[in-house]
Amino acid sequence: KNEVEQSPQNLTAQEGEFITINCSYSVGISALHWLQQHPGGGIVSLFMLSSGKKKHGRLIATINIQEKHSSLHITASHPRDSAVYICAVRSNAGNNRKLIWGLGTSLAVNP
Amino acid sequence: NAGVTQTPKFQVLKTGQSMTLQCAQDMNHEYMSWYRQDPGMGLRLIHYSVGAGITDQGEVPNGYNVSRSTTEDFPLRLLSAAPSQTSVYFCASLGQGHQSSYEQYFGPGTRLTVT
Repeated sequence: KNEVEQSPQNLTAQEGEFITINCSYSVGISALHWLQQHPGGGIVSLFMLSSGKKKHGRLIATINIQEKHSSLHITASHPRDSAVYICAVRSNAGNNRKLIWGLGTSLAVNP
Repeated sequence: NAGVTQTPKFQVLKTGQSMTLQCAQDMNHEYMSWYRQDPGMGLRLIHYSVGAGITDQGEVPNGYNVSRSTTEDFPLRLLSAAPSQTSVYFCASLGQGHQSSYEQYFGPGTRLTVT
């Protein structure tokens, strides 16, 4: 079992829908990252969270440290949001700059 | 800032050949790392460095060498390429982003095929 699990693995939505992607982890962490990988392969860091909630434009990320769970929400989704969304956690054991990666959620937003 | 740059973008090697994937960043980040990405396996850490002169192994270091002679550069060397090393390789650095919290910055990736 992976230490970082994402759900769903694949997601198809209609333009305008509210989207939620979930990330659960089983290790103690000092931070959690959400990243976006575009169809061309480039990877962009979206958020880094250690508690609470962050918002950037139509993207909202939340984390519940007690429940070891984070969600990434996209409001008013658009076809340009189509990408793979990856959750990664920074373990608080040992060298805490190593990241443990989820396998990603592939999102397709249809017009 | 150019961010994290990687070269080449594409490479085809024959089994047994050696080559170096170049990575550079101009953000003065101490921490740099190399990942490989394979279908169904997510990103796996190959090697990382916490500063010039310091490197350490990640999850899948076999068949790869790294060095960090300067803060800016972190090349990845394939000693004797094998088909199992066919993958997409990403270089990344970690530093403070625009939100004043640490963010990971990725290069554009190198798609390597070993025949």
